[in-house]
Amino acid sequence: DSGVTQTPKHLITATGQRVTLRCSPRSGDLSVYWYQQSLDQGLQFLIQYYNGEERAKGNILERFSAQQFPDLHSELNLSSLELGDSALYFCASSPRLYQETQYFGPGTRLLVL
Amino acid sequence: QQQVKQSPQSLIVQKGGISIINCAYENTAFDYFPWYQQFPGKGPALLIAIRPDVSEKKEGRFTISFNKSAKQFSLHIMDSQPGDSATYFCAASIGSGNTPLVFGKGTRLSVIA
Repeated sequence: DSGVTQTPKHLITATGQRVTLRCSPRSGDLSVYWYQQSLDQGLQFLIQYYNGEERAKGNILERFSAQQFPDLHSELNLSSLELGDSALYFCASSPRLYQETQYFGPGTRLLVL
Repeated sequence: QQQVKQSPQSLIVQKGGISIINCAYENTAFDYFPWYQQFPGKGPALLIAIRPDVSEKKEGRFTISFNKSAKQFSLHIMDSQPGDSATYFCAASIGSGNTPLVFGKGTRLSVIA
């Protein structure tokens, strides 16, 4: 167990809908990273927050947004969902701004029908 | 643009054999190269990592070999066991973790008895 928790574990929704994925980092970790994992693209970095501020952006669609709250938990919001958004979404955390070891949560499996 | 290319996509190895997974990178600024292991239904977990100042790093049955001039690095799993069956991801970053990790697409390893 990495100490990173993600909810929900599974999510089934319809195209055009909006969902929110939640991540609680390890105790004391200030950095939170979001990744999308699909069969054909592997692990794609989406966005990183550090102590409440956005610090790095990767291949994140404009329909997606994230935030980190004062208690350091983070939420990833996915809107206007498309079939192609079906994937595993992982959250990872690390103690500092950039930390070599990232601790991954168990992921949220999103299925868009 | 895929900055880290990983091969093979899948690998089947007999128990007791050597599993070899290769990665090649393009960005010569990369200076941190970790390998992550992911079991089904779990998030990736750091397995072993190397910096370019050494050509090899060994931890138990797992060894990273690094070839700076060829811009390649590989993971060797000696005496492979069924419990090693998982997906392995190589990754790279710049500045000792000062940039988000860029992951390869993963290798699904199956170790058969």
